[in-house]
Order: sequence, then C-alpha cells, then structure tokens
Amino acid sequence: DQQVKQNSPSLSVQEGRISILNCDYTNSMFDYFLWYKKYPAEGPTFLISISSIKDKNEDGRFTVFLNKSAKHLSLHIVPSQPGDSAVYFCGGSGSRLTFGEGTQLTVNP
Amino acid sequence: DAGVIQSPRHEVTEMGQEVTLRCKPISGHNSLFWYRQTMMRGLELLIYFNNNVPIDDSGMPEDRFSAKMPNASFSTLKIQPSEPRDSAVYFCASSKSDRYSNQPQHFGDGTRLSIL
Repeated sequence: DQQVKQNSPSLSVQEGRISILNCDYTNSMFDYFLWYKKYPAEGPTFLISISSIKDKNEDGRFTVFLNKSAKHLSLHIVPSQPGDSAVYFCGGSGSRLTFGEGTQLTVNP
Repeated sequence: DAGVIQSPRHEVTEMGQEVTLRCKPISGHNSLFWYRQTMMRGLELLIYFNNNVPIDDSGMPEDRFSAKMPNASFSTLKIQPSEPRDSAVYFCASSKSDRYSNQPQHFGDGTRLSIL
C-alpha cells in the first residue's frame, strides 16, 4: 500500500520560472509532511516541512501547500535555479515516516 | 561536525553471499533509520531504532534481513543470503527526535548494493 504517491517521475522547467512538485497521500493520520532533496551519489537532505494543522509554510524560495480535504500537498520553488535540479521526495510522518517515489526536477539555464 | 557515515559506498557480490552494511550516526542523535531506495518504490523505511532499541521493523522485507545497533555510535544491516532483487541503494539516517516527527533526519550518502 503506497500511502504517499508522487505521480510525476520528472519535471523540467526554465531557470527563473516556478517549479511545482506534487504529492498525494492516503493516510489521514499523518502529523507532518516533509520534503527532502537528493543530489546524485548523495543522501537526501531535509528541505522543508509542514504540520497537518497548517495549510502553508514558506522558507525563502520554497513554499509547501497542504490541502487536507484533497489529501494533496505541493512544493513551489520560485524562482527556480539550475542548482535546484535534483530528486525531490515528499514524506508523511505519523506512526512511521513514509516517502513517495520521488520526482526528478531539471532546471534548464 | 561529521555527518552520518556509511560503509562501504559500493558493494558488488554474488547471489547467496552475506552482505553487511555499516552506519555511524551523528553523535548525540538517539534515533537511527535504515532505508532502501529503488526506482519502483522510492525510499522505503526498513527499520527504526530509538536509543539503540528496534522500535519498528515492519519494513524489513523478510527474514533474510536483520539489523542491529549494539551501541549509540554503530549499526549494521545484514542480508543473508543475498538475492539479485536486493540490489538497491541503502541509506542510513539519524535524528534527535525520539519518534517520527517533523525533526529532520540526516542521511548518509548511501551504499549502492549490486547482487549478481
């Protein structure tokens, strides 16, 4: 049972534009949602999180939106930079931490 | 400060052999996690230790997999016997939190395991 789904395996955007990465979940018991970024040959690094009682959290160029009724969250990166090119994992944290499959973001100069 | 240290970085071995992956968490962190990354399933949690005690091992695929944490600075993940479908990147992570929460986990750079 895949409780967290990232349906887009890849996304390509132009430098300076907005990147929107999406994530859907099925477990209503998640307390927090987290986004991690992963570069090749490195481990994932924590990017941003949001509590299930919030609908938005912002940190610099990164904003996460949570729509509990739709069981959907998204990560917005504005403006996108070539250094943002990486695999992004969303995760839900409750009785355990469950990650999605990841989305490869490519930001073209 | 040193991050999470995993060894080896790469392991290639033949089917049926025993494989041992090693992890040194960040000093002061009391939670340790083992994950497996595959294309099909993304990042899967295998097992979670808190204060050296296994708390949740429901993600361990089968009895061929075992994990230990003999002290706060060392953990192993063992596969015996190994099979080609075990080929994946295995990550170890640690955190200060004593439960699943929004506290970030710090990941090592992983071990890329290939079983021939």
